[in-house]
Amino acid sequence: NAGVTQTPKFRVLKTGQSMTLLCAQDMNHEYMYWYRQDPGMGLRLIHYSVGEGTTAKGEVPDGYNVSRLKKQNFLLGLESAAPSQTSVYFCASSREGDGNQPQHFGDGTRLSIL
Amino acid sequence: GQNIDQPTEMTATEGAIVQINCTYQTSGFNGLFWYQQHAGEAPTFLSYNVLDGLEEKGRFSSFLSRSKGYSYLLLKELQMKDSASYLCAVLDSNYQLIWGAGTKLIIKP
Repeated sequence: NAGVTQTPKFRVLKTGQSMTLLCAQDMNHEYMYWYRQDPGMGLRLIHYSVGEGTTAKGEVPDGYNVSRLKKQNFLLGLESAAPSQTSVYFCASSREGDGNQPQHFGDGTRLSIL
Repeated sequence: GQNIDQPTEMTATEGAIVQINCTYQTSGFNGLFWYQQHAGEAPTFLSYNVLDGLEEKGRFSSFLSRSKGYSYLLLKELQMKDSASYLCAVLDSNYQLIWGAGTKLIIKP
């Protein structure tokens, strides 16, 4: 029972480099989310998707892009990494976006930008 | 603006009871979630409240008062494994989760 799987788990980048974080879920969930978690702050929503082929901006979308070409996968891209993007990134999924459907989280990707 | 407030850190003794409070001001309300997050791990779902009152789940209970914009998580018979951060999150009018910064709970023997 894999649930939500994120790759990679750790990554160090230099300023200006690009990379893609991959999230895969095997629960057939419609909704998927990308968050960042920084010390002393709540989880902040970057982008989300309400179904295959759809994406929408969250609270902090600048500097990130996403794609949901397949229902089970949600990719987060950093086009030109900046030190301010050093964070722990969590992917989550839920069956629906409303009501009592909890979000299920992956183990996170720890990203450092030098 | 939208705001979720929780204490930054709490300390309790093994076997005791602890109450973690959460107050919120959000644009709309479609439910309140509590999650547990051990250090270096993913948040995991604990409870969901949408109606006023107490929801009990084993050693954990969660209470909601919508009129006061207030919730608490009650942990009974504390165990060392309960040492973790507890995150309060509100589903707003756009069905997006607004997260508190979390309460770090330290359990002492």
